[in-house]
This record gives sequence, C-alpha cells and structure tokens, in this order.
Amino acid sequence: GAVVSQHPSRVICKSGTSVKIECRSLDFQATTMFWYRQFPKQSLMLMATSNEGSKATYEQGVEKDKFLINHASLTLSTLTVTSAHPEDSSFYICSAEDTERQASSPLHFGNGTRLTVT
Amino acid sequence: GQNIDQPTEMTATEGAIVQINCTYQTSGFNGLFWYQQHAGEAPTFLSYNVLDGLEEKGRFSSFLSRSKGYSYLLLKELQMKDSASYLCAVRDSNYQLIWGAGTKLIIKP
Repeated sequence: GAVVSQHPSRVICKSGTSVKIECRSLDFQATTMFWYRQFPKQSLMLMATSNEGSKATYEQGVEKDKFLINHASLTLSTLTVTSAHPEDSSFYICSAEDTERQASSPLHFGNGTRLTVT
Repeated sequence: GQNIDQPTEMTATEGAIVQINCTYQTSGFNGLFWYQQHAGEAPTFLSYNVLDGLEEKGRFSSFLSRSKGYSYLLLKELQMKDSASYLCAVRDSNYQLIWGAGTKLIIKP
C-alpha cells in the first residue's frame, strides 16, 4: 500500500530554535499534502494544506510565518517550526493524497513527529 | 457550521462486540471514513462508506445512513490490541476531510 515517511519521529529542542519536519510519499506522487497537529486527548487539527509548486493554504489561527511549509516536489513537503516555544510542543502528523485520488481515496499518514520544546 | 460527534470514551470486554457511533452535519457529503489511532501513532485507515448500508471487513464493519447523518463502526471478537482511538471523518462538498474528536476504546480482559 501507499507509504508516507515522516522524519524525525521525535525531536527535543530548546526554546527559540527552529525545527524542520520532512514528509515524503515513497511510492506515489502527492500533489497535496496536509499538516496536522494533535494535542493530547484531542483530535487532529488541520494546520495547513501544502500544494506542490504553490503557496500553502493555512487554516484560521495558524501563523504562516511561524509554521513555514515548502512543497518543492511531488514527493516531499517540509514543515519548519520557527522560533519554537514550549506551547508548540505537540504531535505533528503529515498526510498525503495520491494525485489520482478519488473521493474514496483515504489519506495516507506519516508516523508523526513528537516535538518537545524545552 | 460543520460538526461531527462521537462518544469520548467507551469500555468493552475482550471477546465482546462494541458499536461506536458517529453523527455528522456537514456542507455536502462525499463519503465517511473510519480510522484507528493507537496512542502516539498516526491514524490508519479502516473503512470508507459513501452509500447507505453495511460494509464488512473481517472483524470490523461500518454502517452509514445518509438521511440520518449517522454512521457506526462495529468491532466483533474484541482483542486487547483493539484498544485505541477511533476517528470518524467526513469528506465534505469541497473534498475536505472534517474530523471527529475520536472515541477512545478501552478493552478489559
């Protein structure tokens, strides 16, 4: 089945530093990738939709200058958390849709990145 | 607004059957998904319904009634490994996925 690779799986950083998370579709092309954040015991919250070759679309309340998204190719999207603060500590998950998707096509998720900002 | 409701938590016994309900109000409907998510892991796809009725996949079945805005996930012969959160998601008229908050299922021996 379709595989999405997300790296790193776990990262601890100091407040004020930046962290880059990579999301790759390994065996299919993904025009669109999604970045989610999930706090403990809460559901997935869509942060932004990443489109290959164009600017990402951010959900209301998500700071685009803080969460930089780059989707340079059909198989790679990156999320950079800039000037991270402890409140940014969360579980970040990417997902990708096959370019040949249909309404019935499920999202393929990466394994997530646990970010802890100290 | 768009809304998906699921129970927050359910408890069931190993070997038994459990039904997890999901009701939705969305702008348009292009199918409903069920995902399983173990703690600290990404969701994994379980089922997709777009037409009314029951879809069976081994121990898991999913039901949809579009007129009622209602779905359920039925898990049979429960195993300890089924302890997880179960997420209901609806694809709306813009093909966006709207997620429920998830139901945490606790299986007891």
